Amino acid sequence: GAVVSQHPSWVICKSGTSVKIECRSLDFQATTMFWYRQFPKQSLMLMATSNEGSKATYEQGVEKDKFLINHASLTLSTLTVTSAHPEDSSFYICSASSTGAGNTIYFGEGSWLTVV
Amino acid sequence: GQNIDQPTEMTATEGAIVQINCTYQTSGFNGLFWYQQHAGEAPTFLSYNVLDGLEEKGRFSSFLSRSKGYSYLLLKELQMKDSASYLCAVRDWGGAGKSTFGDGTTLTVKP
Repeated sequence: GAVVSQHPSWVICKSGTSVKIECRSLDFQATTMFWYRQFPKQSLMLMATSNEGSKATYEQGVEKDKFLINHASLTLSTLTVTSAHPEDSSFYICSASSTGAGNTIYFGEGSWLTVV
Repeated sequence: GQNIDQPTEMTATEGAIVQINCTYQTSGFNGLFWYQQHAGEAPTFLSYNVLDGLEEKGRFSSFLSRSKGYSYLLLKELQMKDSASYLCAVRDWGGAGKSTFGDGTTLTVKP
């Protein structure tokens, strides 16, 4: 079945540095991917919609200059957390829709970011 | 926008049946998803309803009533491994797969 892979699974970085998270659709093309953030015991919050070949669409309250999204190909979207701070520590999850599989949305494995 | 409500916590006994309800008020509707999420892991897909009625898939079933803005997830023959958070998500018309998630229902299955 359709699979979405996310890397890295775990990352620890120092305050002020930048971290890149990759999201790949392994066996289907995804013109649109989604990035979510989830704090402990809270629900998934949509951060932005990543569109292949164009600018991402950010949700209200999400800083586009801080969370850089690049969707350069039909199988890869990247989220870069720039100048990370401890409050950015969270679980980041991407998803993509495979229209050939009943409109199912598939999630990546998620990436735990800890900023120290 | 979307407003999605589901109970925060539920407890049930191993072998029993449990129903998790989800109500929604949306500006657009293009399907409702149920996901299971174990602590520290990404959500996994359980079901997708876009038409009214009951969809059955093994021990899990999902029901949708679009006129009532209501769905439920039914889990039968509960197992200990079913202890998890269950997320209801409504898909909007705008964008391919853009969904809004409820806060999730934490289900605890006891022996």
